[in-house]
Amino acid sequence: DTGVSQDPRHKITKRGQNVTFRCDPISEHNRLYWYRQTLGQGPEFLTYFQNEAQLEKSRLLSDRFSAERPKGSFSTLEIQRTEQGDSAMYLCASSLDTGQWAQYFGPGTRLTVL
Amino acid sequence: EDKVVQSPLSLVVHEGDTVTLNCSYEVTNFRSLLWYKQEKKAPTFLFMLTSSGIEKKSGRLSSILDKKELFSILNITATQTGDSAIYLCAGTRMDSNYQLIWGAGTKLIIKP
Repeated sequence: DTGVSQDPRHKITKRGQNVTFRCDPISEHNRLYWYRQTLGQGPEFLTYFQNEAQLEKSRLLSDRFSAERPKGSFSTLEIQRTEQGDSAMYLCASSLDTGQWAQYFGPGTRLTVL
Repeated sequence: EDKVVQSPLSLVVHEGDTVTLNCSYEVTNFRSLLWYKQEKKAPTFLFMLTSSGIEKKSGRLSSILDKKELFSILNITATQTGDSAIYLCAGTRMDSNYQLIWGAGTKLIIKP
């Protein structure tokens, strides 16, 4: 399967714990995006990378959230000191940086904070 | 402020019917409009539309963009139960390398 993959698919954690999610983009895509989605809403942008450079972060992204893409391939999203309000689906997407602009999404990681 | 509005919010039809989903947009420096299908997982890319009046087609799905009236429609003919999903549209801007402005989606239910 050459699509975007994410791991884990589901994560249940207790409030206050740290969690880390991984995303592997489509191999030739140099842009990678993280989104958060809650029920009944479209995806909410969190951050994006062009190769290893993090070029934009949403103002909604608190300092408990950090993302890395150290070698310009896979990316990790870490949430520290999780809160119940962090419960959501975390989506990763990737795209080329040419005129073809479509972002292709991974299956998502569903986070439940108890 | 940029916005994308989809209608209807939900729609229930019977298998075999044809449906039309609407997406209107107000996006500064508009570049393109994207349609996605979302079932119980992440959105799956359907179409990207950049030019007015040119229909994009994939099987029973088709879509068209009207840049004068600022809307797009997604048509599904001969619907099947597998078409049941949330259909999302999103606008992109010329001056942004990353931003998608999402609509809230249309929840489509196809009854057998």
